[in-house]
Amino acid sequence: AQKITQTQPGMFVQEKEAVTLDCTYDTSDQSYGLFWYKQPSSGEMIFLIYQGSYDEQNATEGRYSLNFQKARKSANLVISASQLGDSAMYFCAMREGGSSNTGKLIFGQGTTLQVKP
Amino acid sequence: DAGVTQSPTHLIKTRGQQVTLRCSPKSGHDTVSWYQQALGQGPQFIFQYYEEEERQRGNFPDRFSGHQFPNYSSELNVNALLLGDSALYLCASSPGTPPGNEQFFGPGTRLTVL
Repeated sequence: AQKITQTQPGMFVQEKEAVTLDCTYDTSDQSYGLFWYKQPSSGEMIFLIYQGSYDEQNATEGRYSLNFQKARKSANLVISASQLGDSAMYFCAMREGGSSNTGKLIFGQGTTLQVKP
Repeated sequence: DAGVTQSPTHLIKTRGQQVTLRCSPKSGHDTVSWYQQALGQGPQFIFQYYEEEERQRGNFPDRFSGHQFPNYSSELNVNALLLGDSALYLCASSPGTPPGNEQFFGPGTRLTVL
């Protein structure tokens, strides 16, 4: 069964420094997608970045990059130059692939990031 | 271009009551998925609607039901509410076929069951 594991319940980072949030996944599908979302205390789930299983390049979106290591089944999120507004809960998610692809997302437990001034 | 909208924002119900939550997808999206997020947990998939039919369902009891309208908006109904149904209910919209890489979420409805 597909599963997402985020082993860091909470992380601290100094403002302007980079931080890596870990995510490992388990799937037997060859085709899948990996997502990272940010959830501030307001509750809305904000899309950050996407990586497809067949993408050869690591995805980047502004200050966000995804360190995709397919053999290790990891998809870590790297946030560069942290800002106070980055303080939030971060979720890694996987979309099931294959012919039954409906876009259903499987989420990890999340990592709470706190940025210190 | 409006994103995904949900109503109401907050809701308080008592055990045994029934509740209806509403979602309007992002413009151009025809698929709506519903998720339940308990406090401190990641969202859990409830079900997905496409072309006015339930296309996939997660591990939730029949007390959870839904509907999709011709304009792609959707409702989530929960009957016989339990204390454990207290959660943030998130709606996500995406293009139907194929779902693609877009999964945009609404602000959620926070349901409290007393």
